[in-house]
Amino acid sequence: AQSVTQLDSQVPVFEEAPVELRCNYSSSVSVYLFWYVQYPNQGLQLLLKYLSGSTLVKGINGFEAEFNKSQTSFHLRKPSVHISDTAEYFCAVSDITRLTFGEGTQLTVNP
Amino acid sequence: DAGVIQSPRHEVTEMGQEVTLRCKPISGHNSLFWYRQTMMRGLELLIYFNNNVPIDDSGMPEDRFSAKMPNASFSTLKIQPSEPRDSAVYFCASTRDHYTGELFFGEGSRLTVL
Repeated sequence: AQSVTQLDSQVPVFEEAPVELRCNYSSSVSVYLFWYVQYPNQGLQLLLKYLSGSTLVKGINGFEAEFNKSQTSFHLRKPSVHISDTAEYFCAVSDITRLTFGEGTQLTVNP
Repeated sequence: DAGVIQSPRHEVTEMGQEVTLRCKPISGHNSLFWYRQTMMRGLELLIYFNNNVPIDDSGMPEDRFSAKMPNASFSTLKIQPSEPRDSAVYFCASTRDHYTGELFFGEGSRLTVL
């Protein structure tokens, strides 16, 4: 069985500040990792994914994430956030048989 | 290309009524998923289809829920009879390569059962 834990349910930050959204996973097999974003009243859309190769993955809107196998983490980062980044962010893990989403982290960017 | 299309976007109904939610996946995608999102339970996978065949329906809450995919371009999620605790946003998603690929989500159907 696999699981995903997003360590923060809410992250408030000021505009232009850096942000890190934390995600830890557990699985007995190799996994693929994803971050999705959900803007208000919309469906989820893919930000970035790690399948193999470089552990630093760059996504859309200036976000990046680093896969750390030893710490079983896949934290999402952005060096300078905008008001428009306010949304809910979901970490997800797949072991091929099943895709599991975390509980989500609400990022609120304040002026 | 059109994305995943869901209808209706909003549905308000009374307890005991039948509810049918519809989904048109992206053309060429062979896997389709139904999710339910609530504040209390987050995002839950209800069922997924691969090549129109239900593969995993372990997330379907109970017999009141049923899902069909009669062809590659259409799926329905039916609740009969509906209950207030079914109030949620229901999302449909599709992908060409499930689990290693990108899921494309519709905008959701917001269901309110009074």
